[in-house]
Amino acid sequence: TQLLEQSPQFLSIQEGENLTVYCNSSSVFSSLQWYRQEPGEGPVLLVTVVTGGEVKKLKRLTFQFGDARKDSSLHITAAQPGDTGLYLCAGSSRSGAGSYQLTFGKGTKLSVIP
Amino acid sequence: NAGVMQNPRHLVRRRGQEARLRCSPMKGHSHVYWYRQLPEEGLKFMVYLQKENIIDESGMPKERFSAEFPKEGPSILRIQQVVRGDSAAYFCASSLGQDSSYNEQFFGPGTRLTVL
Repeated sequence: TQLLEQSPQFLSIQEGENLTVYCNSSSVFSSLQWYRQEPGEGPVLLVTVVTGGEVKKLKRLTFQFGDARKDSSLHITAAQPGDTGLYLCAGSSRSGAGSYQLTFGKGTKLSVIP
Repeated sequence: NAGVMQNPRHLVRRRGQEARLRCSPMKGHSHVYWYRQLPEEGLKFMVYLQKENIIDESGMPKERFSAEFPKEGPSILRIQQVVRGDSAAYFCASSLGQDSSYNEQFFGPGTRLTVL
């Protein structure tokens, strides 16, 4: 069974601070996706990383895929209250049945205090 | 809005009743996935379907749960004889394909099932 460990589980910071969230696994993934989920809503896709070592930027968010495609990080610069939410990473890999499945981490609950 | 649609958003059932959850994928998507999210747990894969076919049901409980994606109409996740442990948020996602590198899945808003 593949596992994705996210850390930290909870993070509370002041507006304007920087933060990094980590997603680690002992398994290799063909791609990795980051989602943000608000209470009572479904996950919203932020980015997909595919190539080992890949870095993608989305405004103040920087996503990195590890060289071995086993881990990833999300860095937020100058956090704002609107960044508050649950951040989920999900790795894509082929299942025993032959289809590509997503394995989710439990998420990092971020709270940005004004 | 051509996003993934799910209904109902909230569903309350008594133990022993049946629950039917519906999902319409994004326009142009023919691959549908169902996930369950228990309180304080991550999303867990249940089943992957294409039109009229169940491709992978390795995450689906063997009893009481079934899924379909007919030629016409939405995908249905059916839970028979619900028990309190079935209370969870059920999410549907859809994708354009199953490319070996990309498996971008877009999620609906979920159905929150409460079993009394």
